[in-house]
Amino acid sequence: QVQLVESGGGVVQPGRSLRLSCAASGFIFSTYAMHWVRQAPGKGLDWVALIAYDGDKKYYADSVRGRFTISRDNSKNTLYLQMNSLRAEDTAIYYCAKSRSGGYSSPFDSWGQGTLVTVSS
Amino acid sequence: EIVLTQSPGTLSLSPGERATLSCRASQSVSSNYLAWYQQKPGQAPRLLIYGASSRATGIPDRFSGSGSGTDFALTISRLEPEDFAVYYCQHYVGSPPFTFGPGTKVDIK
Repeated sequence: QVQLVESGGGVVQPGRSLRLSCAASGFIFSTYAMHWVRQAPGKGLDWVALIAYDGDKKYYADSVRGRFTISRDNSKNTLYLQMNSLRAEDTAIYYCAKSRSGGYSSPFDSWGQGTLVTVSS
Repeated sequence: EIVLTQSPGTLSLSPGERATLSCRASQSVSSNYLAWYQQKPGQAPRLLIYGASSRATGIPDRFSGSGSGTDFALTISRLEPEDFAVYYCQHYVGSPPFTFGPGTKVDIK
């Protein structure tokens, strides 16, 4: 079955960087668009970024554009999120999520368990 | 950007009762590209409904979705103890951002 396992979270000071990873298994990773979604403590879901199945197209929420970079390595079945210039408001659980189909306009049918990022001095 | 609002914020009901949750979009959601997710404390969200009314794999038939254009609803016909959770709607039409609504919490009365 589909499995998504995030890693790389932790406590980081404001202005520093962190890279999250999401290891995928149980499906043909290279044929699906993938997303990052975050959830601040006690808050709702906040879409962060999308990458096309081949890595060719990437989209970002306004709140992270220019600071975060989504990427993927289809040979390793792994999704990444490079987060630079971190701010306190980036504190959240970060989930990777799989598109239900290969295209962008598709719901998120599988989610990882999430990794917690805390930005604090 | 499409903005989604959900109502009510909290719904207090008893097991066995019917729950109706609302999701309203700031502009028409074409092709009914509207999904519903369930999230329980400490867990990741789970896809319930997509295309406004299609149940995802393994979702019980007590969950149903309806609506079109700007007004959508999620109905749980008879609440089971495991259904008490937070429910989010989301659109996935066109290009991102694929925004979520603020959520409706269904709790035990």
